[in-house]
Amino acid sequence: EAGVAQSPRYKIIEKRQSVAFWCNPISGHATLYWYQQILGQGPKLLIQFQNNGVVDDSQLPKDRFSAERLKGVDSTLKIQPAKLEDSAVYLCASSLVSAGLNYNEQFFGPGTRLTVL
Amino acid sequence: GNSVTQMEGPVTLSEEAFLTINCTYTATGYPSLFWYVQYPGEGLQLLLKATKADDKGSNKGFEATYRKETTSFHLEKGSVQVSDSAVYFCALRGNYGQNFVFGPGTRLSVLP
Repeated sequence: EAGVAQSPRYKIIEKRQSVAFWCNPISGHATLYWYQQILGQGPKLLIQFQNNGVVDDSQLPKDRFSAERLKGVDSTLKIQPAKLEDSAVYLCASSLVSAGLNYNEQFFGPGTRLTVL
Repeated sequence: GNSVTQMEGPVTLSEEAFLTINCTYTATGYPSLFWYVQYPGEGLQLLLKATKADDKGSNKGFEATYRKETTSFHLEKGSVQVSDSAVYFCALRGNYGQNFVFGPGTRLSVLP
């Protein structure tokens, strides 16, 4: 079974530029997550999709971050314009479902390391 | 809100040493508790979990017991190997369907 795919693996940009990350979840996984992991910290959830609908985006800085999951499969996360503090690893994860009290294991991709200069 | 605290690393041990990585949490109700591991260059992987008090999660020789009285979920392994070198994250998920909250991670280095 193929895992969660992410691209690119590394990206270096200058502040005020824009950048986009792509995620392809495991086939059949309805729920997709984007996390931000700053160096030395644990992952922080940015946004959760159930199919193509947003379930939770309470910690997404909506003035500069946006995400979409067209057709309920692949997803893109965009930052525009980037700031120095956006330097982090952006992790994508997927699970079968994540509703109410039910738990299904999240499978993580390798992440995209973003450096903003 | 919910939060997770882990012992700071890095932790450096010799092969076959005993490992403990402390994890305590703050949450309302009865959260589910998890340990994730991140090997160099790879994504996070679920190591073990416990969904209610006194449950013991175990996998690959690692164990952790859900202690509600001390709000802890310490990770232990009796004999570590070089291949256990990784970053370990304690995490919780609230029992009202909230999303995951991760601790800051503890880096473990095992020397031969």
